[in-house]
Amino acid sequence: GDSVTQMEGPVTLSEEAFLTINCTYTATGYPSLFWYVQYPGEGLQLLLKATKADDKGSNKGFEATYRKETTSFHLEKGSVQVSDSAVYFCALLGLGGSQGNLIFGKGTKLSVKP
Amino acid sequence: EPEVTQTPSHQVTQMGQEVILRCVPISNHLYFYWYRQILGQKVEFLVSFYNNEISEKSEIFDDQFSVERPDGSNFTLKIRSTKLEDSAMYFCASSGTGGRNEQFFGPGTRLTVL
Repeated sequence: GDSVTQMEGPVTLSEEAFLTINCTYTATGYPSLFWYVQYPGEGLQLLLKATKADDKGSNKGFEATYRKETTSFHLEKGSVQVSDSAVYFCALLGLGGSQGNLIFGKGTKLSVKP
Repeated sequence: EPEVTQTPSHQVTQMGQEVILRCVPISNHLYFYWYRQILGQKVEFLVSFYNNEISEKSEIFDDQFSVERPDGSNFTLKIRSTKLEDSAMYFCASSGTGGRNEQFFGPGTRLTVL
């Protein structure tokens, strides 16, 4: 079945460091891919998405490119801030059914130190 | 900005008891979902709901679980005869049009079964 694998955390970086969180997926067909973020005490928020191969999703300085050849959707940011500290979830939209059931990775906790 | 709300934020119950987790989706949304995350594991899809009936459900969503939209605003998840392994964070989500559109998540209810 469809699945998502993302790098284990926690990840600890200094402010202004470069961030990469790896995400790879297994799916039939061409799923849509998402990054969700969960700030402390809050729900999951959509950070960015890509719906077809070679699409680049971007938001708040974060980027991820849908790579079909490597089945990857790695999250990157050139210069992280303390306010980026959160848990990041990679997800794909399963193609089974009509309502769109998200399949998530385990989440990667990011801590950014000043 | 409209948001999905969930109550309670934390529920503690004894094994074998029934619990009801409550969600208020975004008011004009039509598609509703429940997901759960056991500590340290992936966020997993449980069920989707549209037009007052279940659209899809996962293998996890067995006869122990039920969902209901008792009025125009609430969306509930009932767990009958809770088990220790039901301890998890339960997330509600809603979507305006379902399918490949963004799902908006609530902050979650942490259920602890003793």
